[in-house]
Amino acid sequence: EIVLTQSPVTLSLSPGERATLSCRASQSVSSYLAWYQQKPGQAPRLLIYDASNRATGIPARFSGSGSGTDFTLTISSLEPEDFAVYYCQQRSNWLITFGQGTRLEIK
Amino acid sequence: QVQLVESGGGLVKPGGSLRLSCAASGFTFSDYYMSWIRQAPGKGLEWVSYISSSSSYTNYADSVKGRFTISRDNAKNSLYLQMNSLRAEDTAVYYCARDLGGGTGMGYWGQGTLVTVSS
Repeated sequence: EIVLTQSPVTLSLSPGERATLSCRASQSVSSYLAWYQQKPGQAPRLLIYDASNRATGIPARFSGSGSGTDFTLTISSLEPEDFAVYYCQQRSNWLITFGQGTRLEIK
Repeated sequence: QVQLVESGGGLVKPGGSLRLSCAASGFTFSDYYMSWIRQAPGKGLEWVSYISSSSSYTNYADSVKGRFTISRDNAKNSLYLQMNSLRAEDTAVYYCARDLGGGTGMGYWGQGTLVTVSS
C-alpha cells in the first residue's frame, strides 16, 4: 500500500499570504495524484487532478505541481474561504489512499 | 447537475449489518467508476471500496475486505454498500463519490450518511 504523508499537519497563515502544502508518497505514483479541500460539515471538493490540473470551477490561485513521490499544492494569495483541511489522494495498482490532511488555519 | 444522495445510515450494534445506498442523477451513471469513502468523527478520509462502470471490477481497503460488498444497479442509477460484521471502528460518515472519468480524482461527492456502531 502506498502511504501519503502530508506536511505540515497545521499551517497558520494570514489572508493574502501564500500557502504551500506538501504531499509525499512512499513510492512513485507518477502523476496519479489529486488534492481536495474540506470545510467543516461538508463533503470534500476536488481541487486538482493528475497532480497539476485544476478541476472545473476552481480559482486560478490554486495550483498543483510534482510527479513521482513529491507533490505540492500552492494557494497563491489566501482568501478567507480557503481556510480548511486539505487532503491529497493517489490511485495506483487499483488501490486508493489519502494523506492524513493539512489543516490551514487563520493566523 | 450531478447529484449523489446517500441513505441507509443509522445506529447498529456490533456484529450487525447495514446496507447503504447512493442515488445518482444528472449524468450517465453507467459510464463512471464509483467509490465509497468514509470519515470517522474528527478524523481524515479513508477510501473503502470502488467498482468499475460495468461491475466487472471491485476492490476494497484491507480494513473492510471480507465484510463489505460494493455493488451497483446501472438501470436504477444506484450504488450500494452492504456492510456486515460491523465493528465500533466502522463508525463514520460514509460518502459515495463519482470518478472524474479521465484522470485521478473524484469529481463529485454526496453529502454523506452517518453509520454508528455501538451497543
